[in-house]
Formats: sequence, structure tokens, C-alpha cells
Amino acid sequence: DTAVSQTPKYLVTQMGNDKSIKCEQNLGHDTMYWYKQDSKKFLKIMFSYNNKELIINETVPNRFSPKSPDKAHLNLHINSLELGDSAVYFCASSQATVAAGYRYEQYFGPGTRLTVT
Amino acid sequence: GQQVMQIPQYQHVQEGEDFTTYCNSSTTLSNIQWYKQRPGGHPVFLIQLVKSGEVKKQKRLTFQFGEAKKNSSLHITATQTTDVGTYFCAGTFGNEKLTFGTGTRLTIIP
Repeated sequence: DTAVSQTPKYLVTQMGNDKSIKCEQNLGHDTMYWYKQDSKKFLKIMFSYNNKELIINETVPNRFSPKSPDKAHLNLHINSLELGDSAVYFCASSQATVAAGYRYEQYFGPGTRLTVT
Repeated sequence: GQQVMQIPQYQHVQEGEDFTTYCNSSTTLSNIQWYKQRPGGHPVFLIQLVKSGEVKKQKRLTFQFGEAKKNSSLHITATQTTDVGTYFCAGTFGNEKLTFGTGTRLTIIP
């Protein structure tokens, strides 16, 4: 059983389109994350949700909107895609809580490779 | 914001040679984690260090956390082709989010 799953694995789309990436975890974790990894392999956190509540919102363009329908799911919707959005997007989850902090290992999904043409 | 720097950015070693990657922060870290990402794969947790001066071993891998909790290292003895990938350190500052280092991409020459 896959602990953290993402769909789709690959996404090729044109500039200006809107697309969504879905993530699900079956680990029972309270916290989920979205990371962006660029071509130089830098991993940058975008958002974090704890029990459906947004707790981290880095300086990300407001074209990116996360949604967490329940604590096992975290989706990412991107409006008006731009060339610079091309990257691999990773979903992750952990046992972290706001009170206890982020001192828990994170489990990553397989990634979604987004290519904007 | 807080940053975690890693060096070197790239490392090519002959199979059987040792490899070390270093992680540095200008401020004290609460803990440090290490992840490995195989080519085309996703980051996978390796280990977490919490105590000042802590040393942990996993087979050929040795992880250290500095006395001042501002730096860490990962040393691989006698590298094998299966060690190929990008190694990331990631630290927390207080109760803040996990901040990933810039990564070291390891290539093994057979």
C-alpha cells in the first residue's frame, strides 16, 4: 500500500491553463505539505496544512491555491500556468503538530512532474 | 528567513571511495534530518539527530550533529553504485517548519 500517493505523475499543459494535483496519505498523519523542486533540485516548501487548517503559506503566487477536504487529502490547484511553474511538485505528510513542532520525519509522495509549454 | 547551506553541491567519486556532505546553519538548530533522493525518485527519510554532538550510524553511513547544533555531516564509507542520488539535510529552528538544505548530488564512477 502506498503511504503517500499523488496524481497525476506527469502533467504537460500550455501556458494560461488551470490544473490540479491531488494527494492522499493513508498514514493517519495530521499534517500535509506541498513542496516545489526546481531543475536545480532545490526543495522549497509552499504550503502546510494541519488537520485541514492552513498553517504555512510561503511566498507563493496566489495563482496557487491548496485545498484540504479532510486530513488525509491535500490538493493543489494552479491557475493561469506560467513557464516558470514547470517543476516537480511533491506532497508530503508527517505527524507534526502546531504544538509539538516539525520534529518528525516527513513521508513524500512520488511527485508530479509539471511541464508548462 | 532561516537558511541551511550544504556543500558540496556536486560530488563525483570512484566506487569504493568515501564521500562526505556538510550542512551548515548560522543559527542553532533544534534538530537535523537527512533525506536521500534517488534519480527520478522522491526524498526518503534516513535519520534524525537531536542532541548536541550526537553521532549515529547506519551500516556504511555515519551522521554527526555538531556540538553547537549549527552543523551536521553525512559520511559514506566505501561508496557503492546504490549510493547514487541527492542527499538533503533538513533542520528545524525552534518550532518552525522544516527547512531543507540545498542538497549534494552524488555520482559514482564505476
